[in-house]
Amino acid sequence: GAVVSQHPSWVICKSGTSVKIECRSLDFQATTMFWYRQFPKQSLMLMATSNEGSKATYEQGVEKDKFLINHASLTLSTLTVTSAHPEDSSFYICSAPGGAREAQYFGPGTRLLVL
Amino acid sequence: GENVEQHPSTLSVQEGDSAVIKCTYSDSASNYFPWYKQELGKRPQLIIDIRSNVGEKKDQRIAVTLNKTAKHFSLHITETQPEDSAVYFCATGAIQGAQKLVFGQGTRLTINP
Repeated sequence: GAVVSQHPSWVICKSGTSVKIECRSLDFQATTMFWYRQFPKQSLMLMATSNEGSKATYEQGVEKDKFLINHASLTLSTLTVTSAHPEDSSFYICSAPGGAREAQYFGPGTRLLVL
Repeated sequence: GENVEQHPSTLSVQEGDSAVIKCTYSDSASNYFPWYKQELGKRPQLIIDIRSNVGEKKDQRIAVTLNKTAKHFSLHITETQPEDSAVYFCATGAIQGAQKLVFGQGTRLTINP
């Protein structure tokens, strides 16, 4: 089946630094990818839709200058958390639309801890 | 935008009994309704989904029912087993177009031996 990978799987950083998370579709092309954030014991909240070759579409309340999204190729989308703060600590999950069998293929997630 | 409400937030059942989780949604344009199981620190795992052209779908011990008129759908797990313990999320989306998913708040299901 289709596979979506994320890197890194976990990251610890100091407050004020920037962190880049990669999402790759390994055996298929994805012109669209989605970025979700999940705080402990909460649901997945869509942050933005990443569009290959054009600007990302952000959900209401998500700061586009803080969460930079780049979809440089048909298999890679990156999310950069700029000037990270402890409240940005969360589980970040990407997904890509699937085919007839499964509508969304999720990545394994990236756990971010900002100290 | 779409709003998905999921109940209950926690559910505890005896092993072998059935568990039912319910969701309601607001956007009548939604036509895709998946259910995910998520274990701690892992990605959501699709367990069953239903599209708006059917009212019920079953896969072994798991079934989903959909009432498009009332805008609600439910997950039914029969003959529950300890390994069914996890957090379950409903979601809504559209098969065509943006295909983004809106998730319910989640239900923590505990199966007691």
